[in-house]
Amino acid sequence: NAGVTQTPKFQVLKTGQSMTLQCAQDMNHNSMYWYRQDPGMGLRLIYYSASEGTTDKGEVPNGYNVSRLNKREFSLRLESAAPSQTSVYFCASIRTSGYNEQFFGPGTRLTVL
Amino acid sequence: GDSVTQMEGPVTLSEEAFLTINCTYTATGYPSLFWYVQYPGEGLQLLLKATKADDKGSNKGFEATYRKETTSFHLEKGSVQVSDSAVYFCALSDGSGANNLFFGTGTRLTVIP
Repeated sequence: NAGVTQTPKFQVLKTGQSMTLQCAQDMNHNSMYWYRQDPGMGLRLIYYSASEGTTDKGEVPNGYNVSRLNKREFSLRLESAAPSQTSVYFCASIRTSGYNEQFFGPGTRLTVL
Repeated sequence: GDSVTQMEGPVTLSEEAFLTINCTYTATGYPSLFWYVQYPGEGLQLLLKATKADDKGSNKGFEATYRKETTSFHLEKGSVQVSDSAVYFCALSDGSGANNLFFGTGTRLTVIP
């Protein structure tokens, strides 16, 4: 049981390049989330998927797109990377809505030059 | 909207010292409250939680009590260890929709021998 996995761990992009961050969970969870973590700002929600086939915007969705490929996988895409997207990105999942624990992946550290 | 205000760090303590990290919240309903911990290079892990007023969450010697009258959820530990060095995040969830979490900015704790 690997929990939540993310790839890659590190990535450096040039402004304007595109890339996709991958996330997968093997806990049969329904809901999945993408957050970004910036110094002094905690974690902010980018997008979430309450269930397979649905996605919704979070607090900071601009510049990102997501795909809930199946129940296990939830990817985050940067179509044209900007320096402001330099951050650490975390994926998380939860079994159902309600007051339950979110499980987090180890993160992807992205630098946009 | 919902929000969390967390004591700014960093906090540096000697081993066996008493720890308090303050957290207050603003929410329209009756949220659940969480403390997450992030060890260096890792994702966030749930440390403890409380789902209703006057509940006390506890784990690994850490405690926090859900105080509705003061809208607070302060984290405490009686005797910290070097291994407690990490970043601590207070968070809330109103349990609606996709169970989104709202995070504080995080408090970095360093425990010195």
